[in-house]
Parts: sequence; C-alpha cells; structure tokens
Amino acid sequence: GAGVSQTPSNKVTEKGKYVELRCDPISGHTALYWYRQSLGQGPEFLIYFQGTGAADDSGLPNDRFFAVRPEGSVSTLKIQRTERGDSAVYLCASSLKGPGGIQYFGAGTRLSVL
Amino acid sequence: QQQVKQSPQSLIVQKGGISIINCAYENTAFDYFPWYQQFPGKGPALLIAIRPDVSEKKEGRFTISFNKSAKQFSLHIMDSQPGDSATYFCAASMKKTSGSRLTFGEGTQLTVNP
Repeated sequence: GAGVSQTPSNKVTEKGKYVELRCDPISGHTALYWYRQSLGQGPEFLIYFQGTGAADDSGLPNDRFFAVRPEGSVSTLKIQRTERGDSAVYLCASSLKGPGGIQYFGAGTRLSVL
Repeated sequence: QQQVKQSPQSLIVQKGGISIINCAYENTAFDYFPWYQQFPGKGPALLIAIRPDVSEKKEGRFTISFNKSAKQFSLHIMDSQPGDSATYFCAASMKKTSGSRLTFGEGTQLTVNP
C-alpha cells in the first residue's frame, strides 16, 4: 500500500498561532512516531504511540506540544502559541510492530513560524 | 546530550570511489544500528542496519562495519555513484525502550562527482 503520508507538506504561520500537523501511517502499522528535524541536523524524537496511547512523550519540548491518535491510525501533532524556534521539519514514522520494527518515514511537514 | 556522534559533516567523492562515514555511540544498551538515506524534500529511508552480535553486514554496494568494544560503526559505500548524493544519518535504538525510538547522528552530506 501507500507509504506514510503527512499533510500539509508546508505550513507557514505567525508567532503565537495554533497549528495542527497530520500523519497517516502505513495501513496496519500499530506504532507511530513523531520526530523533529531542524535545518542541518538529524531528526530528534518527540513522541511514540503504540495503538491509541502515547507510550512515551518524553521528547516533547514543552507543554505547548501535544499529539493524539484517537483511533490508533491517524495522528495529529498540535502546537499551541507557536514560536519562531518551532520552525523545523516535523517527521512522522510508522512501524508494523513497534519495538524492533523498521520505521518508515513520511516526507514531513515543513513548519515556518514568522 | 548527543548520544550518537557522526563524522564527517560533509564528504565529496569521485564517481567509482569509496565513501566512508563514521559514527560513535555512548550508550552500551543500544542494540540496533541503522543507517538512513535522505534526499532533499524527502523523509529518511532505511538503507541498511546491523545488530551488535555481528561485526559486518553487506548489502550490495553498502557495508556496515561494527566495533562493539570501541562503540563505533561505519558505513562504506563502494563504487560510489552520483545518484548516491544525499544526506546519510546513522542512528541507534534500544528494543526495550520507547518502541525502539531512534537516536540520530548529525548527518553527513555526501556529494559524488561524475
């Protein structure tokens, strides 16, 4: 089937606004991950879902960041009161089983906070 | 805290040459070491991976060499081609932690000249 799909591909917003980034994982993949990639850097872990629950959200930088996966498939990363430092590419990955499984990445959402 | 250090930051190789990228890790609990390839505007894609019970793994032109005692591993690309020009990331994970969340190196931008 199709790979991991992320929408929008680009998002430009103003400082202080609220944004939502969407991830459609590969069908049947129970594990879902969000990473953030700053320019010229490697991706950094944000949060991991196994099914509907956030099994590990220790990578979220602060309480302005929140993610949900209500039906165990699509996930939404939500950022409140955006700051210029939030500008980055937000990557989503999914894995068939989670621990030990290969993570397949989407193309990411490039967020620009003006 | 940077747990995976990658070098060099950039690499220029002539077509047909060998590209070598090195990584070092700190956490001895890591048990999975993948390499990802990323083209501009795309998400990282798994290239090749190794577990610490093996010292070398080869897939086509790509080879991982792993030195457990030195906590180092490297990617060798034989007969490098212009199409290999991309950013390469080493990573590490622990199966028992956070669904095998990936810790990435800083990346190496490889340019293969024709």
